[in-house]
Amino acid sequence: QSVLTQPPSASGTPGQRVIITCSGSSSNIGRNTVQWYQQLPGATPKLLIHSDNQRPSGVPERFSGSKSGTSASLAISGLQSEDEADYFCAAWDDSLNGSWVFGGGTKLTVL
Amino acid sequence: QVQLQQSGPGLVKPSQTLSLTCAISGDSVSSKDAAWNWIRQSPSRGLEWLGRTYYRSKWYNHYAVSMKSRITVSPDTSKNQFSLQLDSVTPDDTAIYFCARTRGIIDSWGQGTLVTVSS
Repeated sequence: QSVLTQPPSASGTPGQRVIITCSGSSSNIGRNTVQWYQQLPGATPKLLIHSDNQRPSGVPERFSGSKSGTSASLAISGLQSEDEADYFCAAWDDSLNGSWVFGGGTKLTVL
Repeated sequence: QVQLQQSGPGLVKPSQTLSLTCAISGDSVSSKDAAWNWIRQSPSRGLEWLGRTYYRSKWYNHYAVSMKSRITVSPDTSKNQFSLQLDSVTPDDTAIYFCARTRGIIDSWGQGTLVTVSS
């Protein structure tokens, strides 16, 4: 079981806005920043959002992140067919000896 | 732009040691701003952080509690790379293994290596 909780699937039609959630606890999201990654089948994860809501250069403005308390969200607006992929969240967890923890991933389908 | 290139066998027998290497270009394994990590991904476990090595005037290792008795992550400064050794593997260790750089966040990943534990 993943430490961070994400819905296993999400879907939308082209042009729609989709939100993917990531729920954690006070030892991870509640205390540290959240990153979001996009992973295409068989590919390396690509950083979409860091520090809760910052986009690296080259990531379209359609992707945005937010955080409140122990939960975070990734919003994708103007959905495109190439957005069909797995999305997962990550954060540092201060419990035990400290570790990176991840969400179980959300498979986004563009209908 | 950092690049991480993984190498190592894709098949390991049960009870043996899994060994992978990650060659770094565009950064230094001895960087005082970075840590060098191993992460694995499987359908049953999802993404799981295994451990890291980093240099801050001396070398440090830091392992996931669940891995602590079986794992070694070590730097090789002469080749600018780092490695993973996981002892006494079982079929449950079958996964895609990634090396990754962290500089506050996980910002670069290796290409991934599918390691199957089977006799």
